[in-house]
Amino acid sequence: GAGVSQSPSNKVTEKGKDVELRCDPISGHTALYWYRQSLGQGLEFLIYFQGNSAPDKSGLPSDRFSAERTGGSVSTLTIQRTQQEDSAVYLCASSINTGGTGELFFGEGSRLTVL
Amino acid sequence: AQSVTQLDSQVPVFEEAPVELRCNYSSSVSVYLFWYVQYPNQGLQLLLKYLSGSTLVKGINGFEAEFNKSQTSFHLRKPSVHISDTAEYFCAVSDTGGFKTIFGAGTRLFVKA
Repeated sequence: GAGVSQSPSNKVTEKGKDVELRCDPISGHTALYWYRQSLGQGLEFLIYFQGNSAPDKSGLPSDRFSAERTGGSVSTLTIQRTQQEDSAVYLCASSINTGGTGELFFGEGSRLTVL
Repeated sequence: AQSVTQLDSQVPVFEEAPVELRCNYSSSVSVYLFWYVQYPNQGLQLLLKYLSGSTLVKGINGFEAEFNKSQTSFHLRKPSVHISDTAEYFCAVSDTGGFKTIFGAGTRLFVKA
């Protein structure tokens, strides 16, 4: 596609339910990031995929969070047993360049509300 | 590991006035530096970046930033702002070792008529 695509754009769920958020990066981009944007908290790094390397999971806040990237393209962020503090906008970004020099292209985000 | 501090959470300014948004970073290795902008109800987009060379970097919409290695800063400036510059601005850093990009907490710029 022309840009980074994320789905769903909005998700309302009940506390304790599992959710899956999907990211379809720009074709050919080898790097893929997930960030969480909460009011007043900026962009919190969650996880980073680079090609076939093992992902950098250092930003995942708890073991309820996990992510995978299949075939070096589409990524899914899964949050198990959601809590109210998980409510935020989850942003996906992709980049063509390795080495941290490339521009990140962001999707519109998935807004998660946990009731 | 690198980190980014944006010293001002909100900056109100009158139209046509100059503005400076401050950013400091910490890293044990060389870094690349970025400013991204998020306009209301829109996604983030790149404003400018420093990779190497001249420490003064010019970006879109008349913004510029200066890399100061000794002060570990990368402040964003514009000599005369417009109402349309109202947005949230994020400073970001990636290091030459780990490659991942880390963002600051953001600065909300309010331009008043």
